[in-house]
Amino acid sequence: DQQVKQNSPSLSVQEGRISILNCDYTNSMFDYFLWYKKYPAEGPTFLISISSIKDKNEDGRFTVFLNKSAKHLSLHIVPSQPGDSAVYFCAAPYGQNFVFGPGTRLSVLP
Amino acid sequence: GAGVSQSPSNKVTEKGKDVELRCDPISGHTALYWYRQSLGQGLEFLIYFQGNSAPDKSGLPSDRFSAERTGGSVSTLTIQRTQQEDSAVYLCASSLALAGNGYTFGSGTRLTVV
Repeated sequence: DQQVKQNSPSLSVQEGRISILNCDYTNSMFDYFLWYKKYPAEGPTFLISISSIKDKNEDGRFTVFLNKSAKHLSLHIVPSQPGDSAVYFCAAPYGQNFVFGPGTRLSVLP
Repeated sequence: GAGVSQSPSNKVTEKGKDVELRCDPISGHTALYWYRQSLGQGLEFLIYFQGNSAPDKSGLPSDRFSAERTGGSVSTLTIQRTQQEDSAVYLCASSLALAGNGYTFGSGTRLTVV
């Protein structure tokens, strides 16, 4: 039972354009969400988070939007840069650990 | 150390052999987690250690998998009688507590069972 879903396994975007990565969840008890970024041969690194009391959190080029009624969140990267090419995971705390989505591979084309 | 250290970075083993994967967490981090990422899959929780409490082993896929954490620091994940479906990247993470942005991952061990 996948509680966190990322339905797009991959996404390609032109440099300078906006990248939008989507994440859906099924557990309405989730109240905190995180995005992690993973480069090949490296561990995931924390990127940005959002609490359910907010519907938007912005950090530089990265903005996460949360729509609780739709159980949907999205990560916007603008402008996209080639260095943003990585796998992005959406995650939510679940008990003592985290539930991760399957990830979306973003390719930013120069 | 400055980060979470995992060894080896790559391991190729024959089916049926046992393997040990090591994780050295950030000094002072009381929580330690093992996850694995199979090809095309997300991060799958395996086991969680918090201080001296009994570990949460609910994610271990079979009794061939075990883990221990000695002295509240270094952890070893052992897979006995490896199978081809065990091939994955095994990631270790540590944190001071259950805190999202304080959750630091190591670079992982890529295990290939042939």
